[in-house]
Amino acid sequence: DAGVTQSPTHLIKTRGQHVTLRCSPISGHKSVSWYQQVLGQGPQFIFQYYEKEERGRGNFPDRFSARQFPNYSSELNVNALLLGDSALYLCASSAQYTGSGLQETQYFGPGTRLLVL
Amino acid sequence: AQSVTQLDSHVSVSEGTPVLLRCNYSSSYSPSLFWYVQHPNKGLQLLLKYTSAATLVKGINGFEAEFKKSETSFHLTKPSAHMSDAAEYFCVVSPNTGGFKTIFGAGTRLFVKA
Repeated sequence: DAGVTQSPTHLIKTRGQHVTLRCSPISGHKSVSWYQQVLGQGPQFIFQYYEKEERGRGNFPDRFSARQFPNYSSELNVNALLLGDSALYLCASSAQYTGSGLQETQYFGPGTRLLVL
Repeated sequence: AQSVTQLDSHVSVSEGTPVLLRCNYSSSYSPSLFWYVQHPNKGLQLLLKYTSAATLVKGINGFEAEFKKSETSFHLTKPSAHMSDAAEYFCVVSPNTGGFKTIFGAGTRLFVKA
């Protein structure tokens, strides 16, 4: 079975632009979460979606948004890019949502590396 | 409030010697605790998790961790390091309550010398 897939693998944008990152969860998984991992730091939680609804949001500005589609795939959108948005963006899927964070095992994709110039 | 502190940013061991990666946590609620490993250019892989069952948790690839509530610690160990263990390791805390809040530690880079 395929794991979590993310596209694109790498992306270069300039300040002020908009970016869309995509994630396909493991087949049968209904929950998708997004994380930002800045170089040298641990991942920071951005969003979790379950059954197409937002279930949790981290401390990120409104420039960050996401959605989940009927097939449970997900997009992360970032508007008005800043240099500080340069990071590895990770997507994780889990079979269910318990409302308690990572109690359910999350499976991570390889990430999309975004560079903002 | 929750927090997680990985006490070492880098750990270097020789192949065949024990590994100890240290993690302390702070949580207002009884937490779930996890260790993840990240190899270069690969996604995060779950090593093991503690969810209030046995305090000694066994994971994949010979790793294990012990939950010590009195010390608020969840250190990761392995009896004998292998070259393939060289990677970044993250300790993660998540509350056992409603709502979504997970915190990753800053990570510990493990180097394994031949």
